[in-house]
Amino acid sequence: AQSVTQPDIHITVSEGASLELRCNYSYGATPYLFWYVQSPGQGLQLLLKYFSGDTLVQGIKGFEAEFKRSQSSFNLRKPSVHWSDAAEYFCAVVDTGGFKTIFGAGTRLFVKA
Amino acid sequence: GAVVSQHPSRVICKSGTSVKIECRSLDFQATTMFWYRQFPKKSLMLMATSNEGSKATYEQGVEKDKFLINHASLTLSTLTVTSAHPEDSSFYICSATQTNSNQPQHFGDGTRLSIL
Repeated sequence: AQSVTQPDIHITVSEGASLELRCNYSYGATPYLFWYVQSPGQGLQLLLKYFSGDTLVQGIKGFEAEFKRSQSSFNLRKPSVHWSDAAEYFCAVVDTGGFKTIFGAGTRLFVKA
Repeated sequence: GAVVSQHPSRVICKSGTSVKIECRSLDFQATTMFWYRQFPKKSLMLMATSNEGSKATYEQGVEKDKFLINHASLTLSTLTVTSAHPEDSSFYICSATQTNSNQPQHFGDGTRLSIL
C-alpha cells in the first residue's frame, strides 16, 4: 500500500536561513508527488507537483523539490525562508489507480526572527 | 487558477441538528470531489470520494448514514452531518479534481464545525 512519511513533526528555522522538509514515499510505480501548504484555519494550497521528467521541480513562493527515485524521497527546499512561510506542509502521493491522495502527517514550520 | 469555494467557513450548532456543507468548483468541472476531516494538529483523513452522478465511496470506518454526500452536478458536492454530536466537531475540507487522475486537487478553505 502507498504511504507517505514526513519524519519531522516540526522544524524551526531563522528567517533568511535555508529550509529542507523531508518526505519519503512508498509506491510501486513512478508516483505523482505533491507538496501542499496549509495556513491555520485554511484549506491547502498546492506548492508544486512532480509527474515525470526533470527531477527538480520549481513551485510557487520560491519553493522547489527534488525527486530521488533511489531514495524514494521528494524533499522540499527553499533557499531563504520568510516569516510568512510559517505554516503546515504536507507531502502527498496520488494513487494513480483510484484518484486517492495519500497525505503525510505534515511538518509544522516555525520561523524565528 | 482553479478555485474551490466551501461554505460555510464556520458553523456552531446544537447537538442533534444536521449541518450541510457545500463545496463548489467555480471555474472548472469537478468530476471527482473528496471530503476530508482534519483533527487538531493532524493530517487530513479522507472520508469519502464523490463522483458526479453516482454514490460516494466511503473510507473504512466512516459512517455513510452519518455523513451524507451528494454530488449532483459537476460543480457542487454537499456533505451533510446528520444528528451531529460534539464528537463530530472538527475541521472539514473538500477538494475537487478534474478528469485526469494526475491533476492536483484544489482545496476549499475548510469548514470549522462546532457542536455544542
